[in-house]
Amino acid sequence: QVQLQESGPGLVKPSETLSLICTVSGYSISSTNYWGWIRQPPGRGLEWIGSLHHSGIRNYIPTLKSRVTFSVDTSKNQFSLTLTSVTAADTAVYYCAREVAPGGNYGYWGQGILVTVSS
Amino acid sequence: QSALTQPASVSGSPGQSITISCTGTSSDVGGYNHVSWYQQHPGKAPELMIYDVTNRPSGVSNRFSGSKSGNTASLTISGLQAEDEADYYCSSYSSSITSHVVFGGGTKLTVL
Repeated sequence: QVQLQESGPGLVKPSETLSLICTVSGYSISSTNYWGWIRQPPGRGLEWIGSLHHSGIRNYIPTLKSRVTFSVDTSKNQFSLTLTSVTAADTAVYYCAREVAPGGNYGYWGQGILVTVSS
Repeated sequence: QSALTQPASVSGSPGQSITISCTGTSSDVGGYNHVSWYQQHPGKAPELMIYDVTNRPSGVSNRFSGSKSGNTASLTISGLQAEDEADYYCSSYSSSITSHVVFGGGTKLTVL
C-alpha cells in the first residue's frame, strides 16, 4: 500500500532554513499524480504550501512563494521541501501527501512531523 | 483568516444527521468541482472523506456525502456515531492569483 513518511529536524533556529524529506513507498513518485506539502500550526487549521510533479511542475502558495522550493529525487522515490528565513510563524506540523484526483484531492498523507522554530 | 469559511463548531446526537458548510467564491468552490473534505482526529493526519464534491474514496462510509450549490459546498454525515467526533476541513482548487489549493478554517464536530 502507499505510504508516505516525513523526516527532518524537529527544531530550527529563526532565520535559518527548514528542510524536510518525504519518502514514498508502495508507489512510484514518477507516476502521473501530483504530490503536496501541507502544514498545520499547533491548534490551528490546515494550510496548503504547494504541489509538485516529477516532470518539474511546481505550484506554491503565493504567500510563501519567495521562500519555498520543492525538489524530487526519483532514484530514492523522495521529494523534499526547503523553506528559507524561517520565523516562529513557521512552527507547524508538516505533512506530505499524494493526490488521488487532480485539483488538490489528497488521499494519502504522511503521519506529519512537528517542526519548531526557536532559538 | 482562511480562504474558505466554515462554522467553528457543530453538534448532534447519535443517529442524527448534521451538515457542515464551506463557503468560498467563484474563483474556488463556485468555479470548480475540486472540493474535498477531510476528517482529522486529535494527533492524527487528515483523512480524505469526500473528493471532487461528491465522490467517496474506497473504504469511507456511505454515511458521508457531499454536495455543492453555487459558492457553497456541504458535507453531510448521517446516522452520527461517536467515532465521527473530529475536526472537519474543506478544501478547494483555486484560480485566484495563481493556481493553488485553499482550505477552510475547520469545524469541530461534537457528538453529544
